Amino acid sequence: GESVGLHLPTLSVQEGDNSIINCAYSNSASDYFIWYKQESGKGPQFIIDIRSNMDKRQGQRVTVLLNKTVKHLSLQIAATQPGDSAVYFCAEGSNTGKLIFGQGTTLQVKP
Amino acid sequence: KAGVTQTPRYLIKTRGQQVTLSCSPISGHRSVSWYQQTPGQGLQFLFEYFSETQRNKGNFPGRFSGRQFSNSRSEMNVSTLELGDSALYLCASSPQPLREGTGELFFGEGSRLTVL
Repeated sequence: GESVGLHLPTLSVQEGDNSIINCAYSNSASDYFIWYKQESGKGPQFIIDIRSNMDKRQGQRVTVLLNKTVKHLSLQIAATQPGDSAVYFCAEGSNTGKLIFGQGTTLQVKP
Repeated sequence: KAGVTQTPRYLIKTRGQQVTLSCSPISGHRSVSWYQQTPGQGLQFLFEYFSETQRNKGNFPGRFSGRQFSNSRSEMNVSTLELGDSALYLCASSPQPLREGTGELFFGEGSRLTVL
């Protein structure tokens, strides 16, 4: 069946370092992939998306990489800040109209 | 521009009761989708409404239902509540249907339901 999974449940990084959050997916027919950030007590917040015909997309301090060969997605956060502490979800979508979310990785930023 | 508003934020029910949750999307957004979030299962898609029509449904029993009004506000209802229905219920809005979008959804803060 379809699934989107994250490699690590918790990632702890030092403030100022770069963070890399990984995600594996199984549905090769997905059209796009998205990263969401969820802070405690809040709803998920869209970070960045990437279409399946792309390998890389950059945003403000974030980069998403898509490797379709191994069905792997990653989110890189440059110069991680305390405000980046949150749970990060990857999700995949297609023309089925459903979004499938991964379990989430907790990012902890140490001052 | 006001964000997505969900009410109530917290509620406690007992098994067998029913509950109705409300979601007001961002002005101009016609798609509203609902999600259940639990520690064990993560975020799971419930259903999506666009222009008052259910566009898609996730793998949830018929006790979970929803509707959308002409002003795009949406409600979801859970009947005959079970302990396992305790969760954070999130709604999200977007201008276009999920199948035509990029996955950029605007989420509310959720309604936390506790079933005793």
